Amino acid sequence: AQSVAQPEDQVNVAEGNPLTVKCTYSVSGNPYLFWYVQYPNRGLQFLLKYITGDNLVKGSYGFEAEFNKSQTSFHLKKPSALVSDSALYFCAVRDEGNFNKFYFGSGTKLNVKP
Amino acid sequence: DAGVIQSPRHEVTEMGQEVTLRCKPISGHNSLFWYRQTMMRGLELLIYFNNNVPIDDSGMPEDRFSAKMPNASFSTLKIQPSEPRDSAVYFCASSLSDPMYEQYFGPGTRLTVT
Repeated sequence: AQSVAQPEDQVNVAEGNPLTVKCTYSVSGNPYLFWYVQYPNRGLQFLLKYITGDNLVKGSYGFEAEFNKSQTSFHLKKPSALVSDSALYFCAVRDEGNFNKFYFGSGTKLNVKP
Repeated sequence: DAGVIQSPRHEVTEMGQEVTLRCKPISGHNSLFWYRQTMMRGLELLIYFNNNVPIDDSGMPEDRFSAKMPNASFSTLKIQPSEPRDSAVYFCASSLSDPMYEQYFGPGTRLTVT
């Protein structure tokens, strides 16, 4: 069955330090993977996606994500965290074998402390 | 483009009343999704339309919930009768049906049922 797992409910990091938010997935067909960010009282915003090609994809606000097929992972990264990056982050996979439905992880709350 | 438009942004109603939430997807998008978000249950997919046709409504909680998409530019989610446990933020999102494309979320409707 298709699924997305975000093993950490919360990630704490100091401003200026690198950050990683973890995501693993399970899908029967090609993995189409997405990261979204949600700020308080807002809708989810698209950050970046992996479709094919280079395993390192770059997105908005300096974020990037690394696709690893053997580990079925798609971790979100940023070299230097900002306090303003504090938000809720969702990983998602789109299943082309199931009418292109999206499956979302449970979300990871990122706290960046000054 | 104005993005996905949802109305109302906030709705407070009494138990037993009918509630109608509205969504206008991004022009040209042919997939539309309704989600519900609560602290307890996270982000849940309620129903998914493709080319105005409901594809997957397995997430609709019960018969009190119904959704329609009469044309490509408008969808409604109706709750009748409403109950306090329906209190949540309801999001509409739209996309292209191609699995490579991301979803775009509206700002959400915060529903409070007293």
